[in-house]
Amino acid sequence: SQQGEEDPQALSIQEGENATMNCSYKTSINNLQWYRQNSGRGLVHLILIRSNEREKHSGRLRVTLDTSKKSSSLLITASRAADTASYFCATDARRGSTLGRLYFGRGTQLTVWP
Amino acid sequence: EAQVTQNPRYLITVTGKKLTVTCSQNMNHEYMSWYRQDPGLGLRQIYYSMNVEVTDKGDVPEGYKVSRKEKRNFPLILESPSPNQTSLYFCASRHGPSSYNEQFFGPGTRLTVL
Repeated sequence: SQQGEEDPQALSIQEGENATMNCSYKTSINNLQWYRQNSGRGLVHLILIRSNEREKHSGRLRVTLDTSKKSSSLLITASRAADTASYFCATDARRGSTLGRLYFGRGTQLTVWP
Repeated sequence: EAQVTQNPRYLITVTGKKLTVTCSQNMNHEYMSWYRQDPGLGLRQIYYSMNVEVTDKGDVPEGYKVSRKEKRNFPLILESPSPNQTSLYFCASRHGPSSYNEQFFGPGTRLTVL
């Protein structure tokens, strides 16, 4: 499977702490994206990092990408209860026959306690 | 408001009774797709469409049909639903086939097939 695999499956922290989630994938990619899903809702795009980028920031989010290890991490700093959600990584495999196809992992369930 | 809408949001049906889940987007997006989300399996793509009258299979197309007669609509058809199609379904759209375009998801349709 080309899909990303998030780790850990579940993460529970207190408000104010940082949350780190990891994603590993198997094939070369064009880009890697992170999405958030609140319970019972659709996914929301958070951030995209290109294969030639190593780090990207967006507000309290920091994403890193290590293509040599085929892995990415999502860091949420100073977490809030509202950050409670499932987080998914999605990869765009570098294969012409599946151009633009996104492969999603199983997600990390983050719970932030007040 | 830019959005992807799906109807119905919840549906309970019986085996073999044809059903259609509608999807509509108001962003003039060319690319639309359908996913199903199952516990422990993440999101898997069912079908996608690069433009009007252009559709193609995703990773799990068996038992599903789609059509793209208009740019804004992309209905998912289950001709003869079976219990293994019980799942949470998401429609998504983006500007074009490139995965660098931000993908927007609908709110989801929870389908139960008895």
